[in-house]
Amino acid sequence: QVHLVESGGGVVQPGRPLRLSCAASGFTFSTYAMHWVRQAPGKGLEWLAVISYDGNNKYYADSVKGRFFLSRKNSKNTVDLQMNGLTIDDTALYYCARDPEPRVGIYSYAMDVWGQGTTVTVSS
Amino acid sequence: QSALTQPASVSGFPGQSITISCTGTSSDVGGYKFVSWFQQHPDKAPKLLISGVINRPSGVPDRFSGSKSGNTASLTISGLQAEDEADYYCSSYTDSTTLVVFGGGTKLTV
Repeated sequence: QVHLVESGGGVVQPGRPLRLSCAASGFTFSTYAMHWVRQAPGKGLEWLAVISYDGNNKYYADSVKGRFFLSRKNSKNTVDLQMNGLTIDDTALYYCARDPEPRVGIYSYAMDVWGQGTTVTVSS
Repeated sequence: QSALTQPASVSGFPGQSITISCTGTSSDVGGYKFVSWFQQHPDKAPKLLISGVINRPSGVPDRFSGSKSGNTASLTISGLQAEDEADYYCSSYTDSTTLVVFGGGTKLTV
């Protein structure tokens, strides 16, 4: 069964870093690109970033560029989101999601498998 | 303000059909075939309904269909059912510095 589980969320002070992790199971993780998407309380979805199947290519939304960084370990079926310089506006539920395109190096820019999300609250 | 524009809300009666629009520009919706639609029930993760403008993943009922004309994509739900009541989001690839943009979401009331 295809499954994604996020972890690492919590309450963090403004300016402090936080690292989120997403563990995948039930599919060949090393052939799929992975996205991160967030949803602020009561708000819509916001795309954050995508990492290629091999981790060599990463793309970020303007809102997080230079503060958030993606990495992945295909040997462990995990993808991490390192978040630095957090602000109150980063308070949200953070989802990791799979890009459904199975051909390596190709993106569909869709997300077909989602985790349950992990909550990040930035507060002093 | 979201990059893609959706109506805040739509409504319909069971059995009816509704259409949700998603308007962008030639830099996103109008220029590429990478439009997706998602359904999100309260306190649940989003679910992919449509990718590549018109493609339904396996398991998604054929009551859900996607289309595009110019800079506007549309999601049509036919034979509305009570369980279709949810929030719906469109997304698209964009050739701006942000790779993917979402619409602001549409609340469907059945």
